[in-house]
Amino acid sequence: DQQVKQNSPSLSVQEGRISILNCDYTNSMFDYFLWYKKYPAEGPTFLISISSIKDKNEDGRFTVFLNKSAKHLSLHIVPSQPGDSAVYFCAARVVGGGADGLTFGKGTHLIIQP
Amino acid sequence: DAEITQSPRHKITETGRQVTLACHQTWNHNNMFWYRQDLGHGLRLIHYSYGVQDTNKGEVSDGYSVSRSNTEDLPLTLESAASSQTSVYFCASSGLAREQYFGPGTRLTVT
Repeated sequence: DQQVKQNSPSLSVQEGRISILNCDYTNSMFDYFLWYKKYPAEGPTFLISISSIKDKNEDGRFTVFLNKSAKHLSLHIVPSQPGDSAVYFCAARVVGGGADGLTFGKGTHLIIQP
Repeated sequence: DAEITQSPRHKITETGRQVTLACHQTWNHNNMFWYRQDLGHGLRLIHYSYGVQDTNKGEVSDGYSVSRSNTEDLPLTLESAASSQTSVYFCASSGLAREQYFGPGTRLTVT
């Protein structure tokens, strides 16, 4: 039973436009959410996070939105740049739930076209 | 600069052999984690540790073990390697902040 779902395996966006990556979750005990970016043959790198007490967090070109009632979060990248081409993982954490590891989605491969 | 390293980066082994993957971090983080990444599954938690002498099982711990004798290292051992354990393995660490920092990964092939 997948608790974090990224339903789009890939997304193609034109350079300069907005990229929107989506993530849904089922576990209502998740209270912290993160986005990671991964290039081939490298480890995931932390991008941005959001606590469940917020509905928006912004860092430069990256904004994460959280809709708790819908159990949905999204990552917006504006404007998209060629270096943004990578696999993006949504991850969630249950605080105080015993297991401190992250639960990851399967990832979305973002392709920025010139 | 602080970092997290993994060795070897690539390993080929035979079914039934014992294999140990190394993970070393210089962040001085208490928390360390091992994940595996497979096509169609994203990253899945194998084991984690909150500090020296502490180890805990994750979602897919069968066939794996870890030990934590110091802050910097969390080696992952496959007691008897199986073909199903062919994967890319990532080590991660975290401190007081909730973000985890990942190593570059080890690609393990079990033949």
